[in-house]
Amino acid sequence: DADVTQTPRNRITKTGKRIMLECSQTKGHDRMYWYRQDPGLGLQLIYYSFDVKDINKGEISDGYSVSRQAQAKFSLSLESAIPNQTALYFCATSDPGREGNDEQFFGPGTRLTVL
Amino acid sequence: AQSVTQLGSHVSVSEGALVLLRCNYSSSVPPYLFWYVQYPNQGLQLLLKYTTGATLVKGINGFEAEFKKSETSFHLTKPSAHMSDAAEYFCAVSDLESGTSYGKLTFGQGTILTVHP
Repeated sequence: DADVTQTPRNRITKTGKRIMLECSQTKGHDRMYWYRQDPGLGLQLIYYSFDVKDINKGEISDGYSVSRQAQAKFSLSLESAIPNQTALYFCATSDPGREGNDEQFFGPGTRLTVL
Repeated sequence: AQSVTQLGSHVSVSEGALVLLRCNYSSSVPPYLFWYVQYPNQGLQLLLKYTTGATLVKGINGFEAEFKKSETSFHLTKPSAHMSDAAEYFCAVSDLESGTSYGKLTFGQGTILTVHP
C-alpha cells in the first residue's frame, strides 16, 4: 500500500465551486506539505504543517486554505475555484528527526481542472 | 531566499549517450540536496540525495550527482541513457542555517529529458 495517498486523483469542477483535496499518510511523519505543479514552474509550496497545531503559508497560499485534522491527514480547500487554479497538486510528508534529513515523500498527485 | 536553477527546461539525448542535467543553488550554507524524478502521470520519486560526507552520490537507475560547494552545483549524470529514463527531473534544495534545517525544500523548475532511439 502507498505511504502517501491523495483523493481524488482527478477532478473537474466549475468556477466558483468549493473543492477539497485530501491527503493521508501512513509514514508516521509529523510534517506535511501541499504543492501545485504547473508546466515550466516546478513545484510551488502552497501550505505546510510541521505538526497538528502548526500551519504555515507557503509561496502561493492566496485562494487556498488547509486543515490538519490529525497527524496523518492534511486537506487542501479551494473555497471558490477559478480557472487559473487548474494544476497538478501534490501532497508530501517529511520527518527530519526520523529520516535524518529533509527528504520529502510524495503522493501520486491530484489533477484538478477548473472550467 | 533560496533559489534553484536548472539549466535547460528540455534536454534531448540519444539512447546510450551521456545524460547531464544541471542544477545550481544560491545558498551560502551547504544545504541538503535532492534530485527527484517524475514519470508521466506519476508523483515524484527520489533519485538521490546529498546530506553530508562523500560529495559524489549514487542513486537509483544508474544516476549519480556530485556536490561542488565552490560552484554551488549539484549536477545529475548518467553514463548511458536508456529509453526508460525519459521523464521530468527536479533538483531540490533545503534551507540550512547554522546547521539547523528549516524543513522546507525549494525546487527547480524541472528539466524534461527526452531519449531518442
